[in-house]
Amino acid sequence: ILNVEQSPQSLHVQEGDSTNFTCSFPSSNFYALHWYRWETAKSPEALFVMTLNGDEKKKGRISATLNTKEGYSYLYIKGSQPEDSATYLCANDGRYGNKLVFGAGTILRVKS
Amino acid sequence: NAGVTQTPKFQVLKTGQSMTLQCAQDMNHEYMSWYRQDPGMGLRLIHYSVGAGITDQGEVPNGYNVSRSTTEDFPLRLLSAAPSQTSVYFCASRFASGVESGGYTFGSGTRLTVV
Repeated sequence: ILNVEQSPQSLHVQEGDSTNFTCSFPSSNFYALHWYRWETAKSPEALFVMTLNGDEKKKGRISATLNTKEGYSYLYIKGSQPEDSATYLCANDGRYGNKLVFGAGTILRVKS
Repeated sequence: NAGVTQTPKFQVLKTGQSMTLQCAQDMNHEYMSWYRQDPGMGLRLIHYSVGAGITDQGEVPNGYNVSRSTTEDFPLRLLSAAPSQTSVYFCASRFASGVESGGYTFGSGTRLTVV
């Protein structure tokens, strides 16, 4: 079992606030960590795939870091906008990178 | 258009009926997976495949069968539908493992109701 835990479950912020979410996973059973963004009535879209300890990825105002030794990843959104409202999912790729198991997600709502 | 195509988009079944959810991709992806999405539980892995002829069970495989006779297609069969299988089903694909392959591409989902 590739237990993936995400916190918080939901988050409400004001436009312009910066925010971050946490994803934890078993460090002993790890190949890669994925982050996805899932807007209502759409399909999940990949944001980042990270494998190396200390990895940091950035896409516009969104960035992510990875600590494989302690088994966690952070996703940061700088200056949140209403269009950032979505569910953010992280997932563990398992020991062999072929079996993606998701956390329950963090629901972000950004008020204008 | 390149992508993952799921059919049908909506389906209502009676308890005990069987059906097949179709998934096809035209990106030459080796890895394909089926997930179900239930409120408060995120996406749960049903079955996955790493290439034609190779399939394996995920977290919640009971009541479902899969096969992968071609690289393009990965159908999901419900053998005898139960109300507990009411859910939204997503198919996803990826070229292979590794960062260079990027993340999974998801289909638009099939909303299944079992009455």
